[in-house]
Amino acid sequence: GAVVSQHPSWVICKSGTSVKIECRSLDFQATTMFWYRQFPKQSLMLMATSNEGSKATYEQGVEKDKFLINHASLTLSTLTVTSAHPEDSSFYICSASLLEGPGELFFGEGSRLTVL
Amino acid sequence: GQNIDQPTEMTATEGAIVQINCTYQTSGFNGLFWYQQHAGEAPTFLSYNVLDGLEEKGRFSSFLSRSKGYSYLLLKELQMKDSASYLCAVTSADRGSTLGRLYFGRGTQLTVWP
Repeated sequence: GAVVSQHPSWVICKSGTSVKIECRSLDFQATTMFWYRQFPKQSLMLMATSNEGSKATYEQGVEKDKFLINHASLTLSTLTVTSAHPEDSSFYICSASLLEGPGELFFGEGSRLTVL
Repeated sequence: GQNIDQPTEMTATEGAIVQINCTYQTSGFNGLFWYQQHAGEAPTFLSYNVLDGLEEKGRFSSFLSRSKGYSYLLLKELQMKDSASYLCAVTSADRGSTLGRLYFGRGTQLTVWP
């Protein structure tokens, strides 16, 4: 099946720094990718829709200047957490869909961010 | 907005059958997914329903009633490895979105005992 890869899997950073997380579709082209955040023992929360060649669409309550999304190519979307703070520590997961398929979404492995 | 409700926890024994229910209220409904998620891992796809009825896939089946805003995931012949969180998610066609914008319930933590 289709594969979505995220990097890094784990990242620890100091408060105030910025962290970039990459999401790649390895064997298919994804014009649209999605970014989710998951706090411990909570469900996934959709943050934004990443659109290749255009601006991302953010969900209500998500700060677009805090979470910068760039969809540079049909196989790569990046999420940059700017000026990270401890409350940004979370599990970030991206996904992409095969629109010609039955609607199945493929998730990346996730990236666990810890801000000290 | 979306309102998705599922039980927080369930327990069952090996070999048994368990049904995990999910109710939802959403505008622009465009399909319902079930995912399995083990702790610290990304979700893995189990099923997708967009029409009313039952979809069977091996030991797992999923049912949807659009008029009732209701779905269930049925797991048969439970195994220890089925212990995981099961997430119900709906897609919304609001804002002209594509199929991939999912809104998740809080997940049902299933524990399978020997």
